[in-house]
Amino acid sequence: GAGVSQSPSNKVTEKGKDVELRCDPISGHTALYWYRQSLGQGLEFLIYFQGNSAPDKSGLPSDRFSAERTGGSVSTLTIQRTQQEDSAVYLCASSFPGQGSYEQYFGPGTRLTVT
Amino acid sequence: AQSVTQLDSQVPVFEEAPVELRCNYSSSVSVYLFWYVQYPNQGLQLLLKYLSGSTLVESINGFEAEFNKSQTSFHLRKPSVHISDTAEYFCAVSDGAGYSTLTFGKGTMLLVSP
Repeated sequence: GAGVSQSPSNKVTEKGKDVELRCDPISGHTALYWYRQSLGQGLEFLIYFQGNSAPDKSGLPSDRFSAERTGGSVSTLTIQRTQQEDSAVYLCASSFPGQGSYEQYFGPGTRLTVT
Repeated sequence: AQSVTQLDSQVPVFEEAPVELRCNYSSSVSVYLFWYVQYPNQGLQLLLKYLSGSTLVESINGFEAEFNKSQTSFHLRKPSVHISDTAEYFCAVSDGAGYSTLTFGKGTMLLVSP
C-alpha cells in the first residue's frame, strides 16, 4: 500500500477483555514501531522491531502488553485484560533502513476506548 | 536517556502573525531532531528534520527550525501563519544510532484564528 495502515480505526471494549490491534507497514520497511498517544502523556514509545533482531520491548508499560511481527511485515499489538488507563490512540510507524533519512512514517492510529 | 520539553501546551495566534514553538531536549549523545505535525483527525506527518550540516532547516510550507547545540534547542518558527496551520506540533529526538526510536515532547497545539 501507499502508507502505513492500521485496523481497526476505533475499538471499544469492556474492561478485562483482550484486544488485538493490527499494523501493516509500508512495503519494504524493515523497522516497525508502536507508540501510544494519550491525553496528558503525549506520545510514548512501546516497542520496536528491526528486521530479524529481537524486538526492543523497553517501552511496554506492563506484561499485559505484547506484540509480534510475522514474516517481517504485519504486526499485532495485543493488550490482555484491558484497563481503563489503556484507553488511548495506538500509533504504528515504519521506516526503511539505508535511506539515511531516519524518517518514521506513521499510520492513522487505532483509538481504543476501554469502558 | 533522552527527553524533550515543549513548554507551551497551547499557542493562540492571529492569522498572518509570526509564531515560535519552543523545543528543548536533553541527551548525552549526538541527536537527530524532528518536528512532526498532526492535523485534526489525521495521523502524524514529518514537517522537518535536522540530521547534520546546516543548522537551519526548512519545510515546504514556510516553517523553519534552527538547531542550537549550546542551548539544546530546536525551536520551530513561521513568519506568517495561516488558518490551515492549526494543528498539534510535536518535537522529537532520536539518538541517531541507526533506526532508534523517537522520544517525543508532549506537543504544542497551535490555534490560528482570523
